[in-house]
Amino acid sequence: DSGVTQTPKHLITATGQRVTLRCSPRSGDLSVYWYQQSLDQGLQFLIQYYNGEERAKGNILERFSAQQFPDLHSELNLSSLELGDSALYFCASSLVGQPQHFGDGTRLSIL
Amino acid sequence: AQRVTQPEKLLSVFKGAPVELKCNYSYSGSPELFWYVQYSRQRLQLLLRHISRESIKGFTADLNKGETSFHLKKPFAQEEDSAMYYCALRAQGGSEKLVFGKGTKLTVNP
Repeated sequence: DSGVTQTPKHLITATGQRVTLRCSPRSGDLSVYWYQQSLDQGLQFLIQYYNGEERAKGNILERFSAQQFPDLHSELNLSSLELGDSALYFCASSLVGQPQHFGDGTRLSIL
Repeated sequence: AQRVTQPEKLLSVFKGAPVELKCNYSYSGSPELFWYVQYSRQRLQLLLRHISRESIKGFTADLNKGETSFHLKKPFAQEEDSAMYYCALRAQGGSEKLVFGKGTKLTVNP
């Protein structure tokens, strides 16, 4: 158990819909990262938050947004979903300068 | 730009044989390299971090800055080592994002 909790484990929805993925970091970790894992693109960094503020942005679509709340949990919002958004979405957390620890992921399936 | 290349998508060895998973990187600054392992598309688990220079589950990896490589090695593979292995790079002093290679699927046959 890495200590990073992601909910839900699975999500099945339709094109055009909106979903929210939730992540609770390890106790004490201020940084939260989101990654997308798909068969064709592999593991891609989406976005990082540090203590409530956006720290770095990767290949995140404009239809996607994220935030980190005062209790340090984070949410990734995906809207106007397309078939190509089907993927595993991982959250990771870390202390500054320390390795990232990953959650179990949310498997998103778009029908 | 940062890039990680894992040239082998698939690697198959027999139990007890040595195994080497290759990783090459491209980065102009001073990188930090990691190996993560993923069993059956579950959570990625940290296997090794180059600055710690430790051996986990019999695996070792040495950063070779001249060859820009960070190959993962194990002298005697076990069936339970079968998994996806990802090499990742983090730029020191900048964003803490990880840049991953495409991964190598290791199969250890009995």
